[in-house]
Amino acid sequence: GAVVSQHPSWVICKSGTSVKIECRSLDFQATTMFWYRQFPKQSLMLMATSNEGSKATYEQGVEKDKFLINHASLTLSTLTVTSAHPEDSSFYICSVEAGGPTDTQYFGPGTRLTVL
Amino acid sequence: GEDVEQSLFLSVREGDSSVINCTYTDSSSTYLYWYKQEPGAGLQLLTYIFSNMDMKQDQRLTVLLNKKDKHLSLRIADTQTGDSAIYFCAERRYAGNNRKLIWGLGTSLAVNP
Repeated sequence: GAVVSQHPSWVICKSGTSVKIECRSLDFQATTMFWYRQFPKQSLMLMATSNEGSKATYEQGVEKDKFLINHASLTLSTLTVTSAHPEDSSFYICSVEAGGPTDTQYFGPGTRLTVL
Repeated sequence: GEDVEQSLFLSVREGDSSVINCTYTDSSSTYLYWYKQEPGAGLQLLTYIFSNMDMKQDQRLTVLLNKKDKHLSLRIADTQTGDSAIYFCAERRYAGNNRKLIWGLGTSLAVNP
């Protein structure tokens, strides 16, 4: 399967600052990546689908101006949490869609964001 | 995750078999997946099954699919302490060109020595 990395693995920031999270597909050229958010002891919530070279598709209820997604290359997608607030504290996970008939998603290790 | 349901907890003894169940609602689902998540980590794909299959076996893992009842199960044989994790069931859905995974809430598996 595809190998996916995320950077940073954890970040602590002050309220009002912006934080950028990187998702890299290390061995696979991904036209589609996904960004998820996971609250403690809860399931994954899909935030947006990131398509290389085009605008991301956001799920209902996710503010696109708050969570900026850029998929500039086939191996890199970034999520920027703008003007972060404590309620944005969460575990953010990206995945890469490997293509083929199964469209299997392979996940990064996640980024823990804590906003003070 | 309201359309994919899983029991939240399962506790087994080391060496026993574990069976994690999942129900889904969309009969047009093509692929169903099982992922494992260890604390503080991302999700690891364990296995998947195509909707025209009844069973798939991969070493200690057996997936059973009852399409009529929309029921999916994951059996882990000879469960080890390293199998302690949260297991997520997910179904793939298509809506036009849009495709995404619909997730269950996850089953927390505790393996007791």
